[in-house]
Amino acid sequence: DAKTTQPNSMESNEEEPVHLPCNHSTISGTDYIHWYRQLPSQGPEYVIHGLTSNVNNRMASLAIAEDRKSSTLILHRATLRDAAVYYCILRAPAKDAGGTSYGKLTFGQGTILTVHP
Amino acid sequence: DTGVSQNPRHKITKRGQNVTFRCDPISEHNRLYWYRQTLGQGPEFLTYFQNEAQLEKSRLLSDRFSAERPKGSFSTLEIQRTEQGDSAMYLCASSIGPPGNQPQHFGDGTRLSIL
Repeated sequence: DAKTTQPNSMESNEEEPVHLPCNHSTISGTDYIHWYRQLPSQGPEYVIHGLTSNVNNRMASLAIAEDRKSSTLILHRATLRDAAVYYCILRAPAKDAGGTSYGKLTFGQGTILTVHP
Repeated sequence: DTGVSQNPRHKITKRGQNVTFRCDPISEHNRLYWYRQTLGQGPEFLTYFQNEAQLEKSRLLSDRFSAERPKGSFSTLEIQRTEQGDSAMYLCASSIGPPGNQPQHFGDGTRLSIL
């Protein structure tokens, strides 16, 4: 699986936007970019994913560079509940969709986001 | 609550004992994944089921580990002759498919502590 590089930690103030970067210079043309987050004592939680175009949902926005070698997860207004470890993951399409894997997620170290009141 | 359920939440056992964990996925999800997470690390993939078939196993899954999903619904993960290094959080996730990029929904895990 292609690897991602994220900062170990970031800090933000409550109600301010947060931009979490991710580098993935060896991404293949069919890899999706997924973001999950993990709150303390909980399992990971899906945040958002995309392939080439920027994506928005109720939780966040995903901005993907034109060459797809980097992406940024944007939390528009951080809250204390957003304090978590954020994982950027490249996911090959699953075999039953003509892909190369069964869709497992390969997690890295992630970025620990601290939100200050 | 219709999320992924894992039991027990915590398990403490002595080295050498066998342990079994259970995962109940979201009811219509045909894909089920097991992961292991040690302190300070991201989760690591262990094995994958599509319905009742175990289709992928990680090299992390030694012969002391066995997983089943007998009716394509709940799954169990058994560790025989536990070792200190087995202490970790064991996470289960499920998703619906195809298409293959549906998000995975995780349970809150079973934390295993080996004395």
